[in-house]
Amino acid sequence: EIVMTQSPATLSVSPGERATLSCRASQSVSSHLAWYQQKPGQAPRLLIYGASTRATGIPARFSGSGSGTEFTLTISSLQSEDFAVYFCQQYKDWPLYTFGQGTKLEL
Amino acid sequence: EVQLVESGGGLIQPGGSLRLSCAASGLIVSNTYMSWVRQAPGKGLEWVSLIHGGGGTYYADSVKGRFTISRDDSENTIYLQMNSLRADDTAVYYCARAFSLVAPFEYWGQGNLVTVSS
Repeated sequence: EIVMTQSPATLSVSPGERATLSCRASQSVSSHLAWYQQKPGQAPRLLIYGASTRATGIPARFSGSGSGTEFTLTISSLQSEDFAVYFCQQYKDWPLYTFGQGTKLEL
Repeated sequence: EVQLVESGGGLIQPGGSLRLSCAASGLIVSNTYMSWVRQAPGKGLEWVSLIHGGGGTYYADSVKGRFTISRDDSENTIYLQMNSLRADDTAVYYCARAFSLVAPFEYWGQGNLVTVSS
């Protein structure tokens, strides 16, 4: 099983600031990496796939980078609606899809 | 517009059985890759099971032998039959769709809470 490790667990930021979230895979997942946003009481929403491609309707302030074992999600200028939990997921090792434990973005 | 609507959750005693349903609209479940993903209270996401267009099925080790995924093409619905339920199966269960095996989950249902407790 590929273990996904996210850091930090919690990130305290202010609106308008830049946020950088990290995700590390225990072995290479190439670019088969997705990022999801989850708000309380809601299902996850796909933000980024292929490590760097924004999903349909996702604002340009969200960007992803990395390949192999190290990945980053950057939110360039935080809006109030961006405060949520973010998960990374690898889908290289199908069907044993695995997720990181999440990073909570808080004020 | 794609919609996935889960139902069938609730409170069940340890050792009991429950069947979850996921009714799909805007996509055809027999032509795609449908999974169940769960989230224990306050925890992260765990992939549980997948059924693909050819009918093949896959399971996480934590549920293998206890859970069964299936689908009804006439109803455009997938199911998760859960037997021998344990306290650590308590979670919100989501159905989700990927367009291939090597793809992210692009559509999710709203989730359905299963609580296993005496």
